[in-house]
Amino acid sequence: KAGVTQTPRYLIKTRGQQVTLSCSPISGHRSVSWYQQTPGQGLQFLFEYFSETQRNKGNFPGRFSGRQFSNSRSEMNVSTLELGDSALYLCASSLLGGAPTDTQYFGPGTRLTVL
Amino acid sequence: QKEVEQDPGPLSVPEGAIVSLNCTYSNSAFQYFMWYRQYSRKGPELLMYTYSSGNKEDGRFTAQVDKSSKYISLFIRDSQPSDSATYLCAMRWSGNTPLVFGKGTRLSVIA
Repeated sequence: KAGVTQTPRYLIKTRGQQVTLSCSPISGHRSVSWYQQTPGQGLQFLFEYFSETQRNKGNFPGRFSGRQFSNSRSEMNVSTLELGDSALYLCASSLLGGAPTDTQYFGPGTRLTVL
Repeated sequence: QKEVEQDPGPLSVPEGAIVSLNCTYSNSAFQYFMWYRQYSRKGPELLMYTYSSGNKEDGRFTAQVDKSSKYISLFIRDSQPSDSATYLCAMRWSGNTPLVFGKGTRLSVIA
């Protein structure tokens, strides 16, 4: 079974631009979560989507948004990029996301650099 | 104070050593505890999962949870160079709540 895939793997943008990152979950998985990973803050939860609905949201400004499509693929968007948005953005998928033992499988991440 | 505290290391040990990795947390509502391993340029992968207090063993890995002290540990026996990675603890209140991660401890096992 193919793992979680994320595209692109690397991205360089300038301040003020916007960016869209894509995540394809493992086949059959319906829950997709997004995380931001930085050396200073570690892994921080952005949001979770299940059946095209946002189920949980972390403490990030409204510039960060996401959506999920009917095939469970997900995108996240960051508008008006700031230098502090430079990070590794990780996507994780799980079967349903609602059971404690429902393992989250992570993709390799998209490395975003904002200049 | 962050909800989950984890010493970032780096931790360097000789091959064959026993490694102890730890996290403390402040929120007593956490019930589910996990350890993830992250190799360079890869996403985290789940190593161990435990519910509430107690021990769980899987091969060379043992996870311990002490809810009364709000302290969790991961022990690695007979450490190998292939264990060199960043280890992240994570926890959640219930099944459908987000994971809260520690910052991770970077481990190097020297042959």
